[in-house]
Amino acid sequence: DVVMTQSPLSLPVTLGQPASISCRSSQSLVYSDGNTYLNWFQQRPGQSPRRLIYKVSNRDSGVPDRFSGSGSGTDFTLKISRVEAEDVGVYYCMQGTLWPRNFGQGTKLEIK
Amino acid sequence: QVQLQESGPGLVKPSETLSLTCTVSGDSISSSFWNWIRQPAGKGLEWIGRIYTIYTSGSTNYNPSLKSRVTMSVDTSKSQFSLRLTSVTAADTAVYYCARGEHDFDFWGQGTLVTVSS
Repeated sequence: DVVMTQSPLSLPVTLGQPASISCRSSQSLVYSDGNTYLNWFQQRPGQSPRRLIYKVSNRDSGVPDRFSGSGSGTDFTLKISRVEAEDVGVYYCMQGTLWPRNFGQGTKLEIK
Repeated sequence: QVQLQESGPGLVKPSETLSLTCTVSGDSISSSFWNWIRQPAGKGLEWIGRIYTIYTSGSTNYNPSLKSRVTMSVDTSKSQFSLRLTSVTAADTAVYYCARGEHDFDFWGQGTLVTVSS
């Protein structure tokens, strides 16, 4: 199975400051159709996961533009330009290229 | 707006079978891919498997870690798909989510907690 490794696992951030989460896969996530199916999810406390980013860098409807995704191949990053209180939660990367689908361990973002 | 709603028993005895149903609204269950994902308390997300009826009467892909115990099915007339997990143990205690998507999961249900205990 492909291994998805996130870092850091804990991310204390001051309000208004930027934040960055890394996700590395043990194999290339480029699919046969040329797309790279790397997604980012946010899970607020007590809620279901919510997709933020799909195919590396495409922001979902309603997701603030302070969230951005980048990367290629095996190395990906989620950035929040200015953290707000509502961003508290756990962030997961997930690969949709290989079998079985799987997620990173999660990064817990908290406000300092 | 696509909506998914999980339902089923919240308590299952060890060695018995866990059965859950996901009801879909706002989309045709015949036109997409439907997944089950679970999350033990305080832990990460584990993909269980998926089912779809695009070009088929019901094809499935399962996580190899659970494959021997998992069966998924779909009832297009009710716009529902289901999960059966046999021979459950305490390790199967988790919140179970259903979600839509082939390579990514854009809509999720609210989740349902299943506890395995005698």
